Amino acid sequence: IAGITQAPTSQILAAGRRMTLRCTQDMRHNAMYWYRQDLGLGLRLIHYSNTAGTTGKGEVPDGYSVSRANTDDFPLTLASAVPSQTSVYFCASSVEDDTRYGYTFGSGTRLTVV
Amino acid sequence: AQKVTQAQTEISVVEKEDVTLDCVYETRDTTYYLFWYKQPPSGELVFLIRRNSFDEQNEISGRYSWNFQKSTSSFNFTITASQVVDSAVYFCALGRYYGGATNKLIFGTGTLLAVQP
Repeated sequence: IAGITQAPTSQILAAGRRMTLRCTQDMRHNAMYWYRQDLGLGLRLIHYSNTAGTTGKGEVPDGYSVSRANTDDFPLTLASAVPSQTSVYFCASSVEDDTRYGYTFGSGTRLTVV
Repeated sequence: AQKVTQAQTEISVVEKEDVTLDCVYETRDTTYYLFWYKQPPSGELVFLIRRNSFDEQNEISGRYSWNFQKSTSSFNFTITASQVVDSAVYFCALGRYYGGATNKLIFGTGTLLAVQP
């Protein structure tokens, strides 16, 4: 089934540890995004990639990094996790970097930093 | 600056009641896109509708209807004869007509709808 695969589904992580959240899409979408969802704050953009080889910062990029080596993969790395990064993380993609197409979302990764 | 406001944090209704979820947006653009997404208890985000700013015609899809009014910058969502399966968090989102490096979907804070049997 075409779509976005995120891994892991959930994770409990010790503070200070490094963690990479994986995101893979098979729709050949050019643009990809990482959002975090927090109660009362909705979804906030962390990083984005308009096309393979390029990335950009969103609203809340601090403490996170991304790479886009190819079209399909867009991993999100927490270099040294902190409790405030406890959240649900959603990867999304779009045909092009244009909001008219809307976004397709993965099923999310629930991360708890203790 | 662009902003989406969903003032209703939580709504609880009894099955078969009609319910309206409010969405108010702010933008200086004359052309833009509005979206509604549903997040059921299972957690995934499901696309419901997209509306272009230059098309103010209301839309109905089964029990769902959307009322878009540019004059009041609102894009409200009504569920008629609600069902327990409608229980979810609903997000309204705003996108600019022109993509560009920094123009991404902006989401409201969501409204949790609980439909009681």
